[in-house]
Amino acid sequence: AQRVTQPEKLLSVFKGAPVELKCNYSYSGSPELFWYVQYSRQRLQLLLRHISRESIKGFTADLNKGETSFHLKKPFAQEEDSAMYYCALSESTNAGKSTFGDGTTLTVKP
Amino acid sequence: GAVVSQHPSRVICKSGTSVKIECRSLDFQATTMFWYRQFPKQSLMLMATSNEGSKATYEQGVEKDKFLINHASLTLSTLTVTSAHPEDSSFYICSARGTGPNEKLFFGSGTQLSVL
Repeated sequence: AQRVTQPEKLLSVFKGAPVELKCNYSYSGSPELFWYVQYSRQRLQLLLRHISRESIKGFTADLNKGETSFHLKKPFAQEEDSAMYYCALSESTNAGKSTFGDGTTLTVKP
Repeated sequence: GAVVSQHPSRVICKSGTSVKIECRSLDFQATTMFWYRQFPKQSLMLMATSNEGSKATYEQGVEKDKFLINHASLTLSTLTVTSAHPEDSSFYICSARGTGPNEKLFFGSGTQLSVL
C-alpha cells in the first residue's frame, strides 16, 4: 500500500530564512510525487511535481528514491509562503488516484 | 486557466435527508473526477473515482449506496450523500483531471456538510 508521511504538522520560520518541508513516502512501484498548497481561504492547488523538475515561487523539490523522500525547499522564505502544504503520491504520471500526506502548516514570521 | 466549480460551499441538513454536491469542470473536459473527504486538521481521503459514462470506483471502506456518484457528462460529477447522519458531517472536496496542457488535478473549493 502506498503511504505519504509529513512528519511536521506545524513549521514556523522567519522571513528570509531557509525552509524545508519534509515528505517521505512508501510505494512499491515507480511513484509520481506532487506538492500541493492551500493558501488561507483558497482552494488546494498544485505547486509542483517531481517529473517537471521545475521551480515554482522559489520552491524546489527533489525526488530521492534511495531515501524515499520528496522534501520541499526554499532558500529564502517569504511571508506570502504561509500556507498549508500537502505532499501527494500518485500511481501514474497524470496525477490519477493520489494519496495525500497529512499536511504541514507553514508560518513565515516577519 | 482551468477551474473546477463545486457547489454548494456549505450545507446544513437534517438527519435522514439526502444532499447532492455538484462538481463542474469549467473550460475543460474531465473524463475523470475524484471525490475526497477531509476531517478537521487531517488529510484528504480519497473516497471514489468518478468516471464519465461508467460506474464510479470506490475506495475500500466507502459505502457506495451511501455516497452515490454520477458522472453523466464530461464536465459534471455529482456526489449524493443519502440518508445523511451526523457522522457524515465533513468537508467534501472534488477534483478533476484535465488532459493535454491541463493534465493535472484541479480542485474544487469544497463543501462543508453539517448534518443535524
